[in-house]
Amino acid sequence: AAGVIQSPRHLIKEKRETATLKCYPIPRHDTVYWYQQGPGQDPQFLISFYEKMQSDKGSIPDRFSAQQFSDYHSELNMSSLELGDSALYFCASSLVARGTEAFFGQGTRLTVV
Amino acid sequence: GENVEQHPSTLSVQEGDSAVIKCTYSDSASNYFPWYKQELGKGPQLIIDIRSNVGEKKDQRIAVTLNKTAKHFSLHITETQPEDSAVYFCAASHGAGTALIFGKGTTLSVSS
Repeated sequence: AAGVIQSPRHLIKEKRETATLKCYPIPRHDTVYWYQQGPGQDPQFLISFYEKMQSDKGSIPDRFSAQQFSDYHSELNMSSLELGDSALYFCASSLVARGTEAFFGQGTRLTVV
Repeated sequence: GENVEQHPSTLSVQEGDSAVIKCTYSDSASNYFPWYKQELGKGPQLIIDIRSNVGEKKDQRIAVTLNKTAKHFSLHITETQPEDSAVYFCAASHGAGTALIFGKGTTLSVSS
């Protein structure tokens, strides 16, 4: 079965640079969630989109923005990167009509140097 | 906002034993409680979930129980196997499209 696809899998950026992470949800899923996971920590919710509209917002820094496009893929844009932004970034998707089951991608490991 | 507490943080069992992980939540509006298994370097994998209108759910060796009054839910794994070794996270949400709030995770080690 098709899963959530994230790209790139690994990304190395320098401080103050910009990064764009992409997420392709499971086909026909209408909701996308973004999470940040530091080493040894639990996933922290950043933001979610349902039918291309922001549906919930968590601890997303003002330097980050995200959107969901007409084909339901989503992008997380991160600017003025800081060393503390180094983490695993996960995207998850769900189909609201089927309930809340959220399926996660394999993540993007962002390293800021 | 919602706060999810998870215990224990580490759990070591012998192969064939049972493992129990417990979580409590603070927001009575939460109505969906999934459990995820995460292996090193991989994304969280949904293993079982329960909704607030159900008290117990079982899937082979895995079961989850929910006590809405006490605001706690538990994961039970029977006949543990070495491949069950991973980090397990509980989570809670208000429903479809809303954030999953995770517990801090439990590192389960199953030794043969």
